[in-house]
Amino acid sequence: EDQVTQSPEALRLQEGESSSLNCSYTVSGLRGLFWYRQDPGKGPEFLFTLYSAGEEKEKERLKATLTKKESFLHITAPKPEDSATYLCAVQAGVDTGRRALTFGSGTRLQVQP
Amino acid sequence: DAGVIQSPRHEVTEMGQEVTLRCKPISGHNSLFWYRQTMMRGLELLIYFNNNVPIDDSGMPEDRFSAKMPNASFSTLKIQPSEPRDSAVYFCASSLRLAGGETQYFGPGTRLLVL
Repeated sequence: EDQVTQSPEALRLQEGESSSLNCSYTVSGLRGLFWYRQDPGKGPEFLFTLYSAGEEKEKERLKATLTKKESFLHITAPKPEDSATYLCAVQAGVDTGRRALTFGSGTRLQVQP
Repeated sequence: DAGVIQSPRHEVTEMGQEVTLRCKPISGHNSLFWYRQTMMRGLELLIYFNNNVPIDDSGMPEDRFSAKMPNASFSTLKIQPSEPRDSAVYFCASSLRLAGGETQYFGPGTRLLVL
């Protein structure tokens, strides 16, 4: 069974204080690992897709990296508007064609001014 | 460019009533997914369609739930009869499946409360 574990559950940072969020996964045949941002009362907003170990992607203050067992979302010099819940998800089943995303429980990030 | 559209955004109903949730995927996308989000279980897939055909409904809780996709631009998720444990946020997502992979884009969700 595919599993995604995110840590920490909650993180409070001061504006400008860089940190990393962790996503550990076990999956049979990884098709892709996805990062989403979810604001209260809204749907998940797509951030990144990573397909293979060693891959990195960046967008503004966010950088996502991938190894064979985990992914990190690095937040550099965060601002209050980066406050949100960050969700990690895997799409497994390279050999089976399964397309459901398996989500972690998320990391609630609060950035204080 | 319009994203995934869901209606209604909020629904309050009484136990035993029929509830219908609606979704319009992003134009040009060929796959549509229904997810449910609760505090206890997080986001879970209920069912997905590829080219309007249901492919995997293993996440549908029970026979009270049904989903249809009559055309490429519309899908419904129906709960009949509804129960308090169905209270959750229901998301629709769509994607364009390509050889290199796909990204699922989510709608704003429908918040369902069954009293």
